[in-house]
Amino acid sequence: AQKVTQAQTEISVVEKEDVTLDCVYETRDTTYYLFWYKQPPSGELVFLIRRNSFDEQNEISGRYSWNFQKSTSSFNFTITASQVVDSAVYFCALTPSSNDYKLSFGAGTTVTVRA
Amino acid sequence: DAGVIQSPRHEVTEMGQEVTLRCKPISGHNSLFWYRQTMMRGLELLIYFNNNVPIDDSGMPEDRFSAKMPNASFSTLKIQPSEPRDSAVYFCASSPPAGGPETQYFGPGTRLLVL
Repeated sequence: AQKVTQAQTEISVVEKEDVTLDCVYETRDTTYYLFWYKQPPSGELVFLIRRNSFDEQNEISGRYSWNFQKSTSSFNFTITASQVVDSAVYFCALTPSSNDYKLSFGAGTTVTVRA
Repeated sequence: DAGVIQSPRHEVTEMGQEVTLRCKPISGHNSLFWYRQTMMRGLELLIYFNNNVPIDDSGMPEDRFSAKMPNASFSTLKIQPSEPRDSAVYFCASSPPAGGPETQYFGPGTRLLVL
């Protein structure tokens, strides 16, 4: 069975601060895929990133960066110089290669960026 | 390019009524998913179709729920009779054909309220 834990329920920051969202996962599969999705107040789920378990390179995309550490089963997400538009619920998710359509979502972290 | 299209965006109905939610996946995608999001249970996979065939419906709550995919460009999720506890946001997602797990792209969701 897979499990994704996002221990932070809510994070509130002032604009321009950095914010890091934690994601810890459990799986018995040796090959798996990790995702981050953003759910803004409008409600849709927006795909942000997908990583394969065999690729531990960190990734940066604009103000977003992701730190994947297999040794600690973590896939953390950092927003640099946060903006009000970053206010949303962020979900970490995992799917194992053995059952590759079963996305297991974490409970989500609500990020509020204040002007 | 059009994303996943869902209708209606909002639905308010009375207990006992039939509810039909509709989804048009992204053109060329051959996998379709229905999810339900509630505060208590988070995001749950209800059913997964591949090439219009239901592959996994183990997440469908009970016999009151049914889903169909008559062709590659259309799917419905029906609740009959509806109950207040069915109130939730229902998401449809689709993913392209691939040899392994592929990113699921979500529609805007249907917000259902059963009174």
